[in-house]
Amino acid sequence: DAGVTQSPTHLIKTRGQQVTLRCSPISGHKSVSWYQQVLGQGPQFIFQYYEKEERGRGNFPDRFSARQFPNYSSELNVNALLLGDSALYLCASSSPAGGGTDTQYFGPGTRLTVL
Amino acid sequence: GEDVEQSLFLSVREGDSSVINCTYTDSSSTYLYWYKQEPGAGLQLLTYIFSNMDMKQDQRLTVLLNKKDKHLSLRIADTQTGDSAIYFCAESGGGSGNTGKLIFGQGTTLQVKP
Repeated sequence: DAGVTQSPTHLIKTRGQQVTLRCSPISGHKSVSWYQQVLGQGPQFIFQYYEKEERGRGNFPDRFSARQFPNYSSELNVNALLLGDSALYLCASSSPAGGGTDTQYFGPGTRLTVL
Repeated sequence: GEDVEQSLFLSVREGDSSVINCTYTDSSSTYLYWYKQEPGAGLQLLTYIFSNMDMKQDQRLTVLLNKKDKHLSLRIADTQTGDSAIYFCAESGGGSGNTGKLIFGQGTTLQVKP
């Protein structure tokens, strides 16, 4: 079975540009979460989408936005890129069952470098 | 506030046991997780424990939870060189509603020497 897939694997942008990252969840999973992992640190929560609705948002500026499509895939958009946005962007999928475990399975990530 | 702390580095000899420790602050966390990250890769789920459990064993992995002290540990028995990686502890962000947020520690680098 295919796991979580992300594209592209690597990306180089310059300051001020915009970027779109893509994620396809595990088949049957309806929830997608996005995390930013700066080198040497743990992942930081950006968003979670469930059934195409934003379910949670981390402490990130409005330059970060996301959406989820009817097939449950998701895009993360970052506008007006800053050098500090250079990081590994991780997507995770899950199949939350009411208030129970929301075990998240991660993709390989997209490495974004901002020059 | 929500915070997860881990020691940064652990070095063991192949065949020894490894114990990675984690402390967390959010007493409303329902689940606690351990993930493994190899260089340049995403996060691999190793195991998780429900907050009303004290211990969970899964093959070479044993998770111990002390809810009173908000302390979580991961023991890897018979550590192999392939276990060399960064290990992250994570708690499910509690509070009102289920936002799907995981709060991660900064990771413990496990070095296994042959």
